[in-house]
Amino acid sequence: QVQLQQWGAGLLKPSETLSLTCAVYGGSFNAYYWSWIRQPPGKGLEWIGEINHSGSTTYNPSLKSRVTISLGTSKNQFSLKLSSVTAADTAVYYCASLEGEADYWGQGTLVTVSS
Amino acid sequence: QAVVTQEPSLTVSPGGTVTLTCGSSTGPVTSGHYPYWFQQKPGQAPRTLIYDTNNKPSWTPARFSGSLLGGRAALTLSGALPEDEADYYCLLSYSGARYVFGPGTKVTVL
Repeated sequence: QVQLQQWGAGLLKPSETLSLTCAVYGGSFNAYYWSWIRQPPGKGLEWIGEINHSGSTTYNPSLKSRVTISLGTSKNQFSLKLSSVTAADTAVYYCASLEGEADYWGQGTLVTVSS
Repeated sequence: QAVVTQEPSLTVSPGGTVTLTCGSSTGPVTSGHYPYWFQQKPGQAPRTLIYDTNNKPSWTPARFSGSLLGGRAALTLSGALPEDEADYYCLLSYSGARYVFGPGTKVTVL
């Protein structure tokens, strides 16, 4: 049974860098692309970007200038960095796979940007 | 970047049928957009209902089905149950941008 566990800072000040990490347990990290998705409070979902096991990435064009998704320092982990955050980046951030039956989601991390 | 559209809200009677649709600003939605449908209930992560237009994961009830309809992706719920009340999001794949979510449809069973 594949499980995703994510962690990172939940409270940031404007202009700081958001940093989250997601660990994949119990399954083949190499088999899928791994995405970051966010959801502002009371609003819809936004796809941020994805990475595969070899480090190949694709980003949402609207966030590309501020986003970096990379493989983690430990095996079967990947990370999200979003620079120069503002209040508009306040959201629940999810790591996930979008691969049909391989529907795996982290527990979500609420990141609040406030001065 | 492409914009994906969905009905903001729909209401269906218990036991009734409702069809949600998903359009693209770039033109007709085709199987090449690999349409996904997700269900999200309050306080929960989304869950895949339909992928690649009309494929169902093992956990998707038979009352849900996916299709292409009039240039849009469609999710049909036949025989609605109170537990189907949720937000439903479509997701389309585009070359370059990879994925774009629709704004979601709030389905009320009433």
